[in-house]
Amino acid sequence: AQSVTQLGSHVSVSEGALVLLRCNYSSSVPPYLFWYVQYPNQGLQLLLKYTSAATLVKGINGFEAEFKKSETSFHLTKPSAHMSDAAEYFCAVSRGGATNKLIFGTGTLLAVQP
Amino acid sequence: DAGVIQSPRHEVTEMGQEVTLRCKPISGHNSLFWYRQTMMRGLELLIYFNNNVPIDDSGMPEDRFSAKMPNASFSTLKIQPSEPRDSAVYFCASSSDGASYEQYFGPGTRLTVT
Repeated sequence: AQSVTQLGSHVSVSEGALVLLRCNYSSSVPPYLFWYVQYPNQGLQLLLKYTSAATLVKGINGFEAEFKKSETSFHLTKPSAHMSDAAEYFCAVSRGGATNKLIFGTGTLLAVQP
Repeated sequence: DAGVIQSPRHEVTEMGQEVTLRCKPISGHNSLFWYRQTMMRGLELLIYFNNNVPIDDSGMPEDRFSAKMPNASFSTLKIQPSEPRDSAVYFCASSSDGASYEQYFGPGTRLTVT
């Protein structure tokens, strides 16, 4: 069965600092992996996705994530945080195939300090 | 292209009343998902449909909850009777088979049961 673990329910960074949000997955088959962002009082928006092509995936708003099979990780990074990045971030895994359910992590709330 | 549309955006009702939430998926998408989000339980998948057929309703909390998808462009989630513990934000999402299974979320319905 697939599962996702997000380390750190709250992360705080200074504006301009590196953002690193951690996600580890468990999957018995090659996974599809996703990062979503949720701004206050909004729905979830897709940031980026990994679908077995390039292991370094670039998304919107300057975010990127690297798929590391040996570490079963898909950490989200951004070189320089902006105040507008403050939001909740969710990692998700899908095995595709007959079902396209997504298994979501518990989310990481990112705070950006001025 | 319009995204996932949900109505109403906000609903306040009294305990015991029937509540109906509505969702219009993205045109051409053939999978539809209903989620519930609360501070305590995070994001929970309630039910999902594929080609208008319910595939997995194991997340529906109890018999007071029911969902229908009479056609490819409309779905409802009904709670009857509603209880204060049903207060949450309810999201609808849709996706397309054969793609990389990313789901597109609507803006959500914030339900408050007093």
